[in-house]
Amino acid sequence: EAQVTQNPRYLITVTGKKLTVTCSQNMNHEYMSWYRQDPGLGLRQIYYSMNVEVTDKGDVPEGYKVSRKEKRNFPLILESPSPNQTSLYFCASRGVNQETQYFGPGTRLLVL
Amino acid sequence: GQNIDQPTEMTATEGAIVQINCTYQTSGFNGLFWYQQHAGEAPTFLSYNVLDGLEEKGRFSSFLSRSKGYSYLLLKELQMKDSASYLCAVRDHGRAGTALIFGKGTTLSVSS
Repeated sequence: EAQVTQNPRYLITVTGKKLTVTCSQNMNHEYMSWYRQDPGLGLRQIYYSMNVEVTDKGDVPEGYKVSRKEKRNFPLILESPSPNQTSLYFCASRGVNQETQYFGPGTRLLVL
Repeated sequence: GQNIDQPTEMTATEGAIVQINCTYQTSGFNGLFWYQQHAGEAPTFLSYNVLDGLEEKGRFSSFLSRSKGYSYLLLKELQMKDSASYLCAVRDHGRAGTALIFGKGTTLSVSS
């Protein structure tokens, strides 16, 4: 089944404790993105990747890092999480010749 | 800059027709998308318009006017399960790869 998976789905952590949210897709897609969704603000892009080892900042990259060492995986790293990073995070992927983005199920993060 | 506007909330009754409007400003328009998102779930693709006109897909239709920077999503024969958030998103030539700019979403409540 074609899908985008994220782990963990839910996470409660404390300020400053490094964490990684994994994202994996099995559709051989070139493009991958991370978004955060907050009430009243909608979906905002954090980082995106156009292919292996090619990443760039989106609209709200501060406090986040990403890597794209393999085509299928695009982890989101919070080196020192802060409460303002409490949010719902979505990973998405798209093939270069496709129009539709496929979203993962989301990761709900609470930073205390 | 880029800006996408859509109403925050709408209400309708079962069996009715509802139109959700979206206006956008972007420097390099390259397609408009509508996504449906149920609370706490991932957005799912509904429609894509890149040329002017109406795209029909079952009970859902989407219209685009590029000269007016305007789109609408038309939902017919409303059902309770159509209660969700509807996200308008624009792809911009100036933003590489998978980048979509999302509106804040319209929450539609369908009552019996």
